[in-house]
Amino acid sequence: EAQVTQNPRYLITVTGKKLTVTCSQNMNHEYMSWYRQDPGLGLRQIYYSMNVEVTDKGDVPEGYKVSRKEKRNFPLILESPSPNQTSLYFCASTPGRGNTEAFFGQGTRLTVV
Amino acid sequence: GENVEQHPSTLSVQEGDSAVIKCTYSDSASNYFPWYKQELGKRPQLIIDIRSNVGEKKDQRIAVTLNKTAKHFSLHITETQPEDSAVYFCAALIQSYSGGGADGLTFGKGTHLIIQP
Repeated sequence: EAQVTQNPRYLITVTGKKLTVTCSQNMNHEYMSWYRQDPGLGLRQIYYSMNVEVTDKGDVPEGYKVSRKEKRNFPLILESPSPNQTSLYFCASTPGRGNTEAFFGQGTRLTVV
Repeated sequence: GENVEQHPSTLSVQEGDSAVIKCTYSDSASNYFPWYKQELGKRPQLIIDIRSNVGEKKDQRIAVTLNKTAKHFSLHITETQPEDSAVYFCAALIQSYSGGGADGLTFGKGTHLIIQP
């Protein structure tokens, strides 16, 4: 089954404790993105990757890092999480550069206390 | 970069009536406009999309219209049903050629559609 898988689904952590949210897709898609969803603000792009070893900042990259060492994986790293990063996070992948359907992961609900 | 405005933020309609959600975009180079539906606690899923060489597209009870000159596009849902209750997001495709800033889909802030029985 074609899918995008994120882990964990839910995470509560403390300020400053490094964490990684994993994202994996099995569709051989080149393009992957991370979004955060906040009430009233919609989905905002954090980082994107056009292919292996090619990543760039989206609209709200501060406090986040990503890597793309393999085509299927695109982890999101919070080196020193802060309470303003409490949010719902979605990973998405598309075959090319966005002009076809984006497939979203199940989402990760992160709470930073 | 691209800016997508979506209205209304909340829309309540009687079951069986039609619902219309409108979006405007700022970048005239955008050429792909999808709509996503997000049910409570679920991931966004594509329901319909339109490309800039087409003015209208229909899929059963759902239709999307695009006016490139005015830079706006709309989602129309006819004969609404309880299962249509969800948050709907419009999006426009941008492509960053200079590096930095978003690339890919820029989303509107969403419309919470409520179908009243």
